[in-house]
Amino acid sequence: EIVMTQSPATLSVSPGGRATLSCRASQTVSSNLGWYQQKPGQAPRLLIYGASTRATGIPARFSGSGSGTEFTLTISSLQSEDFAVYYCQQYINWPRTFGQGTKVEIK
Amino acid sequence: QVQLQQSGPGLVKPSQTLSLTCAISGDSVSSNSAAWNWIRQSASRGLEWLGRTYFTSKWYNDYAPSVKSRMTINADTSKNQFSLQLNSVTPEDTAVYYCARATCTSSFCQGWFDLWGQGTLVTVSS
Repeated sequence: EIVMTQSPATLSVSPGGRATLSCRASQTVSSNLGWYQQKPGQAPRLLIYGASTRATGIPARFSGSGSGTEFTLTISSLQSEDFAVYYCQQYINWPRTFGQGTKVEIK
Repeated sequence: QVQLQQSGPGLVKPSQTLSLTCAISGDSVSSNSAAWNWIRQSASRGLEWLGRTYFTSKWYNDYAPSVKSRMTINADTSKNQFSLQLNSVTPEDTAVYYCARATCTSSFCQGWFDLWGQGTLVTVSS
């Protein structure tokens, strides 16, 4: 199965700052990659699919890029509601697999 | 709007069967525009996709290799819900279990999960 590795594990960012999260796949997933946000006690929420397409209702400050094995989620101008854990997920192969997450915390 | 509502026990004894249900409102379990999935999350294994069911002329199921021998997903069209049964559970199966939707076209299903249930914490313990 494809292993998804996210870095860093924790990212400290000031409100209004910029967060750059990385996700690496153990083999190419082309653009078959999604990003999710999860807050404590809640289910994950889809942010990005197709590596760069925002899901319905997702603000433009969230952007995704990359293809192949290297991907980035950028959150520009972090709002208070953006402090959460973020996961990447590949869907080129079965089983679908997720990264271990990056926690974005307030600096 | 479409909602997924999970139900089921939060405590299961080792070697017994874990059973959860996901009730769908606003969509149909037999819709050919969705696949219905189970995903779990634990501290040790992270987010783990377990399996899915979907209907396109007939019912299809897919399971993750890690649980394939122990897991069954069934759809109940009369109640518009789908269920998960995981046999012979051990403490390693302790996790928050989620149901989730992947949308489908007439020819394939998307790989991402755009709608999730609220999650059910299931603890395997005697």
